Amino acid sequence: DAGITQSPRHKVTETGTPVTLRCHQTENHRYMYWYRQDPGHGLRLIHYSYGVKDTDKGEVSDGYSVSRSKTEDFLLTLESATSSQTSVYFCATYRDRSTDTQYFGPGTRLTVL
Amino acid sequence: GDSVTQMEGPVTLSEEAFLTINCTYTATGYPSLFWYVQYPGEGLQLLLKATKADDKGSNKGFEATYRKETTSFHLEKGSVQVSDSAVYFCALNSGGSNYKLTFGKGTLLTVNP
Repeated sequence: DAGITQSPRHKVTETGTPVTLRCHQTENHRYMYWYRQDPGHGLRLIHYSYGVKDTDKGEVSDGYSVSRSKTEDFLLTLESATSSQTSVYFCATYRDRSTDTQYFGPGTRLTVL
Repeated sequence: GDSVTQMEGPVTLSEEAFLTINCTYTATGYPSLFWYVQYPGEGLQLLLKATKADDKGSNKGFEATYRKETTSFHLEKGSVQVSDSAVYFCALNSGGSNYKLTFGKGTLLTVNP
């Protein structure tokens, strides 16, 4: 357990509005990830971070940006939300090879109307 | 690129039945393999893992063996319970420096009393 919390847990917003999701961890894990989960697609990586201020794109990064100004927080921003971004978003962390495991947060359900 | 293919669901079983969920993969190098479980309304939890060929991961009565010759990591349980009802994801980490996971699409298991 990496003590991961996500906020908000549920959000409904309108097309065209900016949205920021927050992931907070208490275990000082270096690596953090944002995934989206959609029926028929499993989990797909949006962006990830390998350290403070170090981020990179995943396979479905279009329309999303991230920031990591401190180890414990990883923010995902939808610059201008679209209905195709309606999904469940999961944050995950990874400590190192000793556990070789990603730990997941509880998820945020986002609905874009 | 890396990919994971797991059997389509949903799978419906009676309590005490034998479970197999097939998973095959394509990856460069020597990936680590994982099964994650997602209970309703929750995030993903690691169920078991294997890091090299012929390793067997096991947890909570579930088992999976890393078969390099068939590029497979099938999940099995000898006697399922109602509490095993969940979505199961097969995943791999091909060993890149940022420890990214590639997931299958997930298999929904429902166990009836």
